[in-house]
Amino acid sequence: QKEVEQDPGPLSVPEGAIVSLNCTYSNSAFQYFMWYRQYSRKGPELLMYTYSSGNKEDGRFTAQVDKSSKYISLFIRDSQPSDSATYLCAMTTSGNTGKLIFGQGTTLQVKP
Amino acid sequence: GAGVSQSPSNKVTEKGKDVELRCDPISGHTALYWYRQRLGQGLEFLIYFQGNSAPDKSGLPSDRFSAERTGESVSTLTIQRTQQEDSAVYLCASSTKFGRGPAPNTGELFFGEGSRLTVL
Repeated sequence: QKEVEQDPGPLSVPEGAIVSLNCTYSNSAFQYFMWYRQYSRKGPELLMYTYSSGNKEDGRFTAQVDKSSKYISLFIRDSQPSDSATYLCAMTTSGNTGKLIFGQGTTLQVKP
Repeated sequence: GAGVSQSPSNKVTEKGKDVELRCDPISGHTALYWYRQRLGQGLEFLIYFQGNSAPDKSGLPSDRFSAERTGESVSTLTIQRTQQEDSAVYLCASSTKFGRGPAPNTGELFFGEGSRLTVL
């Protein structure tokens, strides 16, 4: 079993839809949770960062962490075609280096 | 440039040949990472450099893989006697020392665009 599980999709939604992306993990020591966005043939870029449990909102994006269930989510409201990309969850333990453990990535396509 | 620079962007090689991939991190970033991304897969940690500390090599898949970094600058990832399963995109990232970012631990790694390796 992988430390971090993520449904690879692909996920196809119409423009304006609410998108929900999720990851589960097995290591209860993970404290820092991130979502990276990767456009085709580009490197990943940080989208959202959350420490421990709770919610964080940034514009159309909301990240949620439920440590009791070992489950994290990313919600995208009013999705746009420019949101079409692969979304990778990543996490690491407290005090660790930036040695992140990544999920497989979910490919999202937002159709105009 | 302002970002992480990697070269070559594409490399096609024959099985059994050695390859060398290069990474120029963002100036001032003390930490440098190499990750591997196989087709349709997430990123797999390979190695991490932090300043003058001993590198964390725990992700290197075999002794055919090695990496060096000179001070806080350029790094090279070398794969000897390449195999077909080495075909992947090799991504380099840099960051300020984890936990020392502009905000309390942003966890932000800045990635290059990767070196796409194809082993025939």
